[in-house]
Amino acid sequence: DADVTQTPRNRITKTGKRIMLECSQTKGHDRMYWYRQDPGLGLRLIYYSFDVKDINKGEISDGYSVSRQAQAKFSLSLESAIPNQTALYFCATSDPSGSADTQYFGPGTRLTVL
Amino acid sequence: SQQGEEDPQALSIQEGENATMNCSYKTSINNLQWYRQNSGRGLVHLILIRSNEREKHSGRLRVTLDTSKKSSSLLITASRAADTASYFCATETGFQKLVFGTGTRLLVSP
Repeated sequence: DADVTQTPRNRITKTGKRIMLECSQTKGHDRMYWYRQDPGLGLRLIYYSFDVKDINKGEISDGYSVSRQAQAKFSLSLESAIPNQTALYFCATSDPSGSADTQYFGPGTRLTVL
Repeated sequence: SQQGEEDPQALSIQEGENATMNCSYKTSINNLQWYRQNSGRGLVHLILIRSNEREKHSGRLRVTLDTSKKSSSLLITASRAADTASYFCATETGFQKLVFGTGTRLLVSP
């Protein structure tokens, strides 16, 4: 669990503010992901990165941007937060050396946009 | 849209009973995985079954996969209160990323 950390764990902000959520990992994995979880909707993929130079949009990337600063760091930004971005955000990593994409999740960031 | 849909959405049982939850998906897959989430925490990988496998066991967990019906089931035997959590299926379709279902909330009462 401590292999993937997220900061902050909780954040309350106002509409229109820029917010950055950070993810760090010590697993040495190349692949990193950002998900959003809303009640009743499961997890939805926002962005993913297969290495430092690779960034890809997921299912719901509008309103979000990411930065892969290093193999170990992957940040998610909300340029201008809106209330419907209130959700639980998870970072995950994977290393499909066994040809299976098992993912390891961080503890999550609970974001509230007022 | 979600690839996987779990059924039931919620399940309440007594300790010692078995818990079965099902996952249906829409497209061909390379593998299907089950994850567990304790309330408000990160997901934890439980078990993976490949598309050419039909059944897999891990401790008290048994997973089946029927690719002809595009469905999977997770059986937890002899449930414990500590098994209380949400359980998600996730499918890997060959695009090197997972698509998660909507989850089953399991409550195991002492």
